[in-house]
Amino acid sequence: AQKVTQAQTEISVVEKEDVTLDCVYETRDTTYYLFWYKQPPSGELVFLIRRNSFDEQNEISGRYSWNFQKSTSSFNFTITASQVVDSAVYFCALSEAGGSEKLVFGKGTKLTVNP
Amino acid sequence: SAVISQKPSRDICQRGTSLTIQCQVDSQVTMMFWYRQQPGQSLTLIATANQGSEATYESGFVIDKFPISRPNLTFSTLTVSNMSPEDSSIYLCSAGYNEQFFGPGTRLTVL
Repeated sequence: AQKVTQAQTEISVVEKEDVTLDCVYETRDTTYYLFWYKQPPSGELVFLIRRNSFDEQNEISGRYSWNFQKSTSSFNFTITASQVVDSAVYFCALSEAGGSEKLVFGKGTKLTVNP
Repeated sequence: SAVISQKPSRDICQRGTSLTIQCQVDSQVTMMFWYRQQPGQSLTLIATANQGSEATYESGFVIDKFPISRPNLTFSTLTVSNMSPEDSSIYLCSAGYNEQFFGPGTRLTVL
């Protein structure tokens, strides 16, 4: 069975601090996809990244970066120089096969960035 | 990317009534998904809706309570039947190839 664990329930930082959100997953599949979504207070779910199981390269997009390590089954998300607008709940998710399959979500990490 | 819209955006309903939520995608997709997010919780998949076939429900969700229609490749509906206060949640639909996009959600409050 697939499972996603986000052990950090809530994180609070001060603006400009770097913060890492942890994600550990379990799956028996050799082909799978990992996702991160952002859910700001307004409630919509914003897609951030999709990574397939065969691509362990780290990814950087502006202040966001992702570290995928199959050896530890982790897909961690780092925000550099955090801003108040980064305050949201962040979900890590896992899907099998082609990426258009159903998602299994972690419980989410609520990030609060204080000015 | 897929743009997904949902109607209604929110509703307040009385116990025992039913509400149908509509989901429209701006492109044709094979599968659409319906999720529930209870207050302060994560997202849980209700069912997968394929065009031309019956929806596939996850454990704990049944067709009588959450009937789903999928009349074409861009549209789906989810009905929440015989509602109780425990059904108060955000209901989200999603679709897409590779990157799975979500609609804005329907905030349902049952009194």
